[in-house]
Amino acid sequence: QKEVEQDPGPLSVPEGAIVSLNCTYSNSAFQYFMWYRQYSRKGPELLMYTYSSGNKEDGRFTAQVDKSSKYISLFIRDSQPSDSATYLCATQGQAGTALIFGKGTTLSVSS
Amino acid sequence: KAGVTQTPRYLIKTRGQQVTLSCSPISGHRSVSWYQQTPGQGLQFLFEYFSETQRNKGNFPGRFSGRQFSNSRSEMNVSTLELGDSALYLCASSLLSSGTYEQYFGPGTRLTVT
Repeated sequence: QKEVEQDPGPLSVPEGAIVSLNCTYSNSAFQYFMWYRQYSRKGPELLMYTYSSGNKEDGRFTAQVDKSSKYISLFIRDSQPSDSATYLCATQGQAGTALIFGKGTTLSVSS
Repeated sequence: KAGVTQTPRYLIKTRGQQVTLSCSPISGHRSVSWYQQTPGQGLQFLFEYFSETQRNKGNFPGRFSGRQFSNSRSEMNVSTLELGDSALYLCASSLLSSGTYEQYFGPGTRLTVT
């Protein structure tokens, strides 16, 4: 079992839709959870991070972690064509250890 | 502030050759991590250098190596290239060690091995 599993999609939605992106992880020791966005021909950029369980909101984006079920989610409200990208979840155990990424979900938002 | 730069952006090599990729981190950042990204395996951690010392290493063969210079610039080298080494190689810099989520990625070097 891979440490972080992510459905690769692709996921296609119309503009204005609510998007839900999800990952599961296997190691209960993971403490930090991140979402990166990667546009075509670019490197990933950090969108959001959360520590342990709970929700974090930033504009149209909400990150959610449920440690009891080892489930990570990213919600995008009022999705825009500019949100079309690959979204990567990542986790980290102890400070000083490497990030572990999911394979990414490709999202396409049509106008 | 300038972002992470990687050179070259694109590279085509023949199986058996070796290649050196370069990464210049954001000014003031001391940690540089390298990742390999492929459609099949996703983003996989290669190694991290902090203040010229390798601090973490991923599960890659010894053909993959790296180093960091005193100005924090880093290079990675792949010897005896194999077809499976074709990938996007990304470097990421951060202020502290890789024990922080705040990693800033470069645009990557697209390596094609024929």
